[in-house]
Amino acid sequence: DAGVIQSPRHEVTEMGQEVTLRCKPISGHDYLFWYRQTMMRGLELLIYFNNNVPIDDSGMPEDRFSAKMPNASFSTLKIQPSEPRDSAVYFCASSSSPGQGVNEQFFGPGTRLTVL
Amino acid sequence: GENVEQHPSTLSVQEGDSAVIKCTYSDSASNYFPWYKQELGKRPQLIIDIRSNVGEKKDQRIAVTLNKTAKHFSLHITETQPEDSAVYFCAASKRGSQGNLIFGKGTKLSVKP
Repeated sequence: DAGVIQSPRHEVTEMGQEVTLRCKPISGHDYLFWYRQTMMRGLELLIYFNNNVPIDDSGMPEDRFSAKMPNASFSTLKIQPSEPRDSAVYFCASSSSPGQGVNEQFFGPGTRLTVL
Repeated sequence: GENVEQHPSTLSVQEGDSAVIKCTYSDSASNYFPWYKQELGKRPQLIIDIRSNVGEKKDQRIAVTLNKTAKHFSLHITETQPEDSAVYFCAASKRGSQGNLIFGKGTKLSVKP
């Protein structure tokens, strides 16, 4: 398996533009997570899905952020409009249903977003 | 809400010495405790994990201990090497939320040759 795939790897955009980040989880995994990482705030969970259904989006900063998972092999995180403070590395991670508790989360390579 | 505290935030050791990173958690229902290593510019990767039914787990130079009563767990790295230099994150599973983890803020470990 290729692991979790994210695109693009780097994104530079101007304030006010729409940004769409993409993620393909590991085949067979039914949990998908979106994280944001910055020096100041560390690794923050934004939202996660189970079987394509959003379970907890309490970490989504504000209405400018939205996430979808239309099928088991694809998810998007959209920021509209983008702001300089959104600059961060965004990770997608996936895991399988826990057989005896929680299972390992596998992280994608991340998308480094810079908003000018 | 649930919280994971991690200490220290930075740790510098001499090559060959041991390194210990400690985490405390608040949710007594947490039952899974992974440790992730993140090298500069790379993704976090699992290095070891422990479930609540055991008190200690070891994998070569890395070991994790868990004290459920005190709600803390620790990562121990022995005979450190320069390639151990990275940021290490602890995490704990979240009550009533299968699959979800709460991460600590991370520890930047520097191993000096």
